[in-house]
Amino acid sequence: SAVISQKPSRDICQRGTSLTIQCQVDSQVTMMFWYRQQPGQSLTLIATANQGSEATYESGFVIDKFPISRPNLTFSTLTVSNMSPEDSSIYLCSVQRTGELFFGEGSRLTVL
Amino acid sequence: AQRVTQPEKLLSVFKGAPVELKCNYSYSGSPELFWYVQYSRQRLQLLLRHISRESIKGFTADLNKGETSFHLKKPFAQEEDSAMYYCALQTSGSRLTFGEGTQLTVNP
Repeated sequence: SAVISQKPSRDICQRGTSLTIQCQVDSQVTMMFWYRQQPGQSLTLIATANQGSEATYESGFVIDKFPISRPNLTFSTLTVSNMSPEDSSIYLCSVQRTGELFFGEGSRLTVL
Repeated sequence: AQRVTQPEKLLSVFKGAPVELKCNYSYSGSPELFWYVQYSRQRLQLLLRHISRESIKGFTADLNKGETSFHLKKPFAQEEDSAMYYCALQTSGSRLTFGEGTQLTVNP
């Protein structure tokens, strides 16, 4: 299995500000994934983060809005920039191990 | 483009009754399909994957390529099965496309 810790677990943010979410894994992994779950909707992949290279973003997501860092094999951050109420979501970090995806508990952001 | 459809947002059954959560997919490649479950106040976790052909907590799911379906079944539902269930399709690079989820409620 994999133990994934995300911080913050929740936050209330003001429109126009930015927030960085941290994801820590208990052991080294090659790929880390960031998902978004908007209220009442399913999970949508934002980007894949590999250590030592730029993140790969899915259609509809751009680096300027969701910059990602991956400084080592156990840690990643996702920043939600210039937030608007539409960014109110749960953001989840996940990693793959032995063909299975493991998820963090998520970071619930509310943008006022 | 790949797509996963779960036609029922809500499903309610009584304890001991059979339950089937529907999942259909569209994908041009060879599909790898999963069911994930999220119990109340817990994180999302893998329930089962089609390549394992295993039964987990009494649940089974068979991949039907002709009908492009991967329905989740259990012959006798239990109250502790109440949860949110997501069907997911794995494409290149271990990326998952999720369905919209089905909230299962098992009533006593």
